[in-house]
Amino acid sequence: GQNIDQPTEMTATEGAIVQINCTYQTSGFNGLFWYQQHAGEAPTFLSYNVLDGLEEKGRFSSFLSRSKGYSYLLLKELQMKDSASYLCAVTLDSNYQLIWGAGTKLIIKP
Amino acid sequence: DAGVIQSPRHEVTEMGQEVTLRCKPISGHDYLFWYRQTMMRGLELLIYFNNNVPIDDSGMPEDRFSAKMPNASFSTLKIQPSEPRDSAVYFCASSLAEGASRDFGAGTRLSVL
Repeated sequence: GQNIDQPTEMTATEGAIVQINCTYQTSGFNGLFWYQQHAGEAPTFLSYNVLDGLEEKGRFSSFLSRSKGYSYLLLKELQMKDSASYLCAVTLDSNYQLIWGAGTKLIIKP
Repeated sequence: DAGVIQSPRHEVTEMGQEVTLRCKPISGHDYLFWYRQTMMRGLELLIYFNNNVPIDDSGMPEDRFSAKMPNASFSTLKIQPSEPRDSAVYFCASSLAEGASRDFGAGTRLSVL
């Protein structure tokens, strides 16, 4: 079967750094997405990793290790507006299928 | 571009009634996806279209659900008859390619009483 694991909830302090982990066990792998979803809103695209390594995009970075079935999203200089759910999703070889994790609810405290 | 447009934003109906959700994808996006999101099950793919043709509807819960895409700029998801367990947020998304990122609409929050 397909399985993606993320922590259910994390808490961090404004201005700090937080790392949200995602591990996956899937039959085939093409790439891994990270989406941000604020409460009551639609998911919005953050990053897409296909190759191993770290990709940095402003305050957000995403890392992938294909051999370990592992990814993380790193958020720096946390702001209150970063309070949201962060969804990890894997695309399989067949491409169209996005296997979604349950999401990590990130709570930012002043 | 206005993004993916869904209507209505909220729908409250009684059990047994027909519900129709509407979606306008981003122009030029050849793929359209219907998702359902609940606290218990997270995001679930219901069906997706490529160039207006349904490709995979294996995620459609049962015969009460149907989806159409009569042209490249419009799709509907219909539930008939609706049941309380259908209460969820329904998202429409579109993308340029199968493996590309999905652009999501704002969603329709459905409550079946």
